[in-house]
Amino acid sequence: AQSVTQLDSQVPVFEEAPVELRCNYSSSVSVYLFWYVQYPNQGLQLLLKYLSGSTLVESINGFEAEFNKSQTSFHLRKPSVHISDTAEYFCAVKGDSSYKLIFGSGTRLLVRP
Amino acid sequence: NAGVMQNPRHLVRRRGQEARLRCSPMKGHSHVYWYRQLPEEGLKFMVYLQKENIIDESGMPKERFSAEFPKEGPSILRIQQVVRGDSAAYFCASSPERKRGDEQFFGPGTRLTVL
Repeated sequence: AQSVTQLDSQVPVFEEAPVELRCNYSSSVSVYLFWYVQYPNQGLQLLLKYLSGSTLVESINGFEAEFNKSQTSFHLRKPSVHISDTAEYFCAVKGDSSYKLIFGSGTRLLVRP
Repeated sequence: NAGVMQNPRHLVRRRGQEARLRCSPMKGHSHVYWYRQLPEEGLKFMVYLQKENIIDESGMPKERFSAEFPKEGPSILRIQQVVRGDSAAYFCASSPERKRGDEQFFGPGTRLTVL
């Protein structure tokens, strides 16, 4: 079985500041890792995913995440945030032979001017 | 290519009524997943269906909840005799096939409010 922990329920940050949203997982098998973003009253959109290969994955809007197997982490980072990045961010894991996405409880990123 | 469609977007029911939530997967996708998001929580898996088959319903409450994905038409999540604790956002996702690492594409969700 897998589980995901997002320790920070809310992260306030000023515009143009860097941000890191933490995600730790536990699993007894190999996993695939995902970050989804949810804007208010909308569905989830895939931000980025790690399947294999390079441990650093990037999204088209400046976010990146690094898979760290020894620390069982997949933290999300952005060097300079915008007001429009205000949203809920969910980390998710899926076992390599499973179809269920296991989600963390989410982190609300609040970007202030 | 239209994304995953869900309707209604908002649904209000009184205790004891039935709620029917519909999901049309993306074109070419034959795998559908339903998740529930309770207030202030992450999404929890409910059920996984392929056309005319329930593959895994381990996340579904044993009573009052049922799901189907008929040969023709959308997938339906049905909640009978709703209670206040059923108030949540229900998301449907679809994928083209069950491959390792396959991305699941999510719909906008149905927000159910039980009065």
